[in-house]
Amino acid sequence: DTAVSQTPKYLVTQMGNDKSIKCEQNLGHDTMYWYKQDSKKFLKIMFSYNNKELIINETVPNRFSPKSPDKAHLNLHINSLELGDSAVYFCASSQGWGPSNQPQHFGDGTRLSIL
Amino acid sequence: DAKTTQPPSMDCAEGRAANLPCNHSTISGNEYVYWYRQIHSQGPQYIIHGLKNNETNEMASLIITEDRKSSTLILPHATLRDTAVYYCIVSTSGTYKYIFGTGTRLKVLA
Repeated sequence: DTAVSQTPKYLVTQMGNDKSIKCEQNLGHDTMYWYKQDSKKFLKIMFSYNNKELIINETVPNRFSPKSPDKAHLNLHINSLELGDSAVYFCASSQGWGPSNQPQHFGDGTRLSIL
Repeated sequence: DAKTTQPPSMDCAEGRAANLPCNHSTISGNEYVYWYRQIHSQGPQYIIHGLKNNETNEMASLIITEDRKSSTLILPHATLRDTAVYYCIVSTSGTYKYIFGTGTRLKVLA
């Protein structure tokens, strides 16, 4: 069984559209994350939820809205997609939130391409 | 900005030990050092972490200097499948978030 699974794996869409990426973890973890890896391969944290509560919210356009319906799921909705949103988006989870309660387990990523 | 610095690339012969250095001179007393790797464009894979003692698991060993300002990840017998980008991370105090640097691109040579 995949520990952290993301859907879809590939997403190709037009500029201006709205899309969602889903993430589910079956590890029983309390904390989930979204990261963005751009074309230069820099990996940056976007959001983190602990027990469905938002704990990290980086400087991300408000077109990006995370939603955590329960501890096992963290979805990412993106409105009015722009060319610069093209990237690989990784979901991750960890047992808890704190200095030693990680490590984080990552999904295989969603490759988003904006035409 | 990342709190760690790593060499951009290294080569290692297959079967030899790969020693990957990392500097984290501004690390605080309760901050852990984590190592991850990313093979091609897969999701980062956790390798090992530590606070001040040396650590070993089935994948690697982590050696942390006494002053905690630097560490070395050791892959004891590198294989071609260990070719990847290796990231050394110190999670920030308070928010405990990871700030990824550029990592070290390790190439294991046959």
